[in-house]
Amino acid sequence: ETGVTQSPTHLIKTRGQQVTLRCSSQSGHNTVSWYQQALGQGPQFIFQYYREEENGRGNFPPRFSGLQFPNYSSELNVNALELDDSALYLCASSLGTSGRRQETQYFGPGTRLLVL
Amino acid sequence: GNSVTQMEGPVTLSEEAFLTINCTYTATGYPSLFWYVQYPGEGLQLLLKATKADDKGSNKGFEATYRKETTSFHLEKGSVQVSDSAVYFCALLDNYGQNFVFGPGTRLSVLP
Repeated sequence: ETGVTQSPTHLIKTRGQQVTLRCSSQSGHNTVSWYQQALGQGPQFIFQYYREEENGRGNFPPRFSGLQFPNYSSELNVNALELDDSALYLCASSLGTSGRRQETQYFGPGTRLLVL
Repeated sequence: GNSVTQMEGPVTLSEEAFLTINCTYTATGYPSLFWYVQYPGEGLQLLLKATKADDKGSNKGFEATYRKETTSFHLEKGSVQVSDSAVYFCALLDNYGQNFVFGPGTRLSVLP
């Protein structure tokens, strides 16, 4: 069974640029959630994708967007980067069923983004 | 809204000491409760979970009991090891199953 993988592991961007982060979900999982973890804080929910559709969103602006592909891998895109976007971005996958809540989420190692 | 509160760290213990990390939550309905652990430079790993009141989650010597009457899910271990040094996050999954809410984390340092 393959775990959750993320790429790249580290990334440095400058303010105003755009970034794309990638996540491959655990085998058999159809739901992907993205989180932002600032230094010294707990992860904050960005959004979730279930079977290629957005299935919930946290308190993040529209410049944070995502995609989920037919193989259930996912991308997080952030436009117009700001200094405060510097954080560890975590992807988590789970097995969800329409109309019922999904259970445990399994996290990838994260992508550390630094915005200068 | 839903929220999770954890005891502030850092917590520093000697090897073989007893560990308690307090966690309380606010949520509507019947959330599931989790403890995740994050080792330096790594992502989050599931430590244990409980999905209904009075359930006890356990793993690797760690335990936590879902107490609905006190809205708590305190983490305990009878004898910590140096390898337990990490940041511990308490989290809840809301009643609709869409959103994990994490506490701020508690850093544990275990000294030999």
